[in-house]
Amino acid sequence: AQTVTQSQPEMSVQEAETVTLSCTYDTSENNYYLFWYKQPPSRQMILVIRQEAYKQQNATENRFSVNFQKAAKSFSLKISDSQLGDTAMYFCAFMPDNTDKLIFGTGTRLQVFP
Amino acid sequence: DSGVTQTPKHLITATGQRVTLRCSPRSGDLSVYWYQQSLDQGLQFLIQYYNGEERAKGNILERFSAQQFPDLHSELNLSSLELGDSALYFCASSEDRGYYGYTFGSGTRLTVV
Repeated sequence: AQTVTQSQPEMSVQEAETVTLSCTYDTSENNYYLFWYKQPPSRQMILVIRQEAYKQQNATENRFSVNFQKAAKSFSLKISDSQLGDTAMYFCAFMPDNTDKLIFGTGTRLQVFP
Repeated sequence: DSGVTQTPKHLITATGQRVTLRCSPRSGDLSVYWYQQSLDQGLQFLIQYYNGEERAKGNILERFSAQQFPDLHSELNLSSLELGDSALYFCASSEDRGYYGYTFGSGTRLTVV
């Protein structure tokens, strides 16, 4: 079975600092997609960043970047210059190429302090 | 506003009752997905519709059913409700395949008492 593991239930970071959230996954698939979603207190699920497994280059979106290690099945999220608005639950998710179904991890609660 | 509209935002109902959750996808999106978010199970995929047809089914109970109408809005019907059905139910949509990522609605919080 395909699973996604987020081993850090909670993390905190000071404003303007950098934080890295960890995610590992288990699959026998060769082609798949990986995502990070953010869920702020408003509960809306917001796509932060996506990565295609067949692309070597790590995805970046402004202050957000990933470290994708396919052999290690690792997909961490780095948030640079953290802002108070980054306070949220962050979910790592996996999608096999042959389906549109997202498999989510259990989430990491990130608190950004002033 | 994500463009995906879910109604109602909150719903409180008694055990044994039936409720209908409604979702209007983002304009132009043909795929609609339903997810359940609960404290014990996390985020679980329930079902996907594409242009009116069921495309994929996940861990959806037999007491639950869904459909997508010709105008592409979707409804999730939950019947014979139990306390354990209390959760946040999300609808999401995508243009076709989901591998670019979905757009989620703000969810319906269902409380069964």
